[in-house]
Amino acid sequence: GQQVMQIPQYQHVQEGEDFTTYCNSSTTLSNIQWYKQRPGGHPVFLIQLVKSGEVKKQKRLTFQFGEAKKNSSLHITATQTTDVGTYFCAGPERDDKIIFGKGTRLHILP
Amino acid sequence: DTGVSQNPRHKITKRGQNVTFRCDPISEHNRLYWYRQTLGQGPEFLTYFQNEAQLEKSRLLSDRFSAERPKGSFSTLEIQRTEQGDSAMYLCASSLSNTQYFGPGTRLTVL
Repeated sequence: GQQVMQIPQYQHVQEGEDFTTYCNSSTTLSNIQWYKQRPGGHPVFLIQLVKSGEVKKQKRLTFQFGEAKKNSSLHITATQTTDVGTYFCAGPERDDKIIFGKGTRLHILP
Repeated sequence: DTGVSQNPRHKITKRGQNVTFRCDPISEHNRLYWYRQTLGQGPEFLTYFQNEAQLEKSRLLSDRFSAERPKGSFSTLEIQRTEQGDSAMYLCASSLSNTQYFGPGTRLTVL
């Protein structure tokens, strides 16, 4: 079946530094979604990318979808303590079934 | 608050007991998903419904797990003869399209 892999598994950054997490799928995706899960919380939808090469921004967050639609990245500029959490990418195995990566846990050092 | 509710929020049970969890999705959402999440892992797909029809069940799910969604509204997930390995967070999500709206989860601890 489809696999969605994320690297790194953990990332510690100094507050104010940038952060990037990468997501790779074993198959071409029709779309890719990103979620954030705060410690003790549940995953919360951030964004969906659909088009090949698409780039979307949400304030300090930049999301990219690869040209081959098999990889994606999330970049956070000038991290803040509120960015702490685990970031998951997810892609549809079929239209309805969504497969999640294992996530990248971001820890901010003050 | 996404509008998806789950009950109970926490459940502690002894090995061998049966447990049932409930999920109330966002009312206009026709799709409902169940996931299991353990520490350091992403949500693992268990099963999902389109309206009242259960469309797929993970091969990882043993026969001890069963889910229902009568009338296409709320859903229940039952685990029979619980084992210690069943200890996890059980997440419910509802959607109209691909976007998943997660509930707060039910944390199950099997002693």
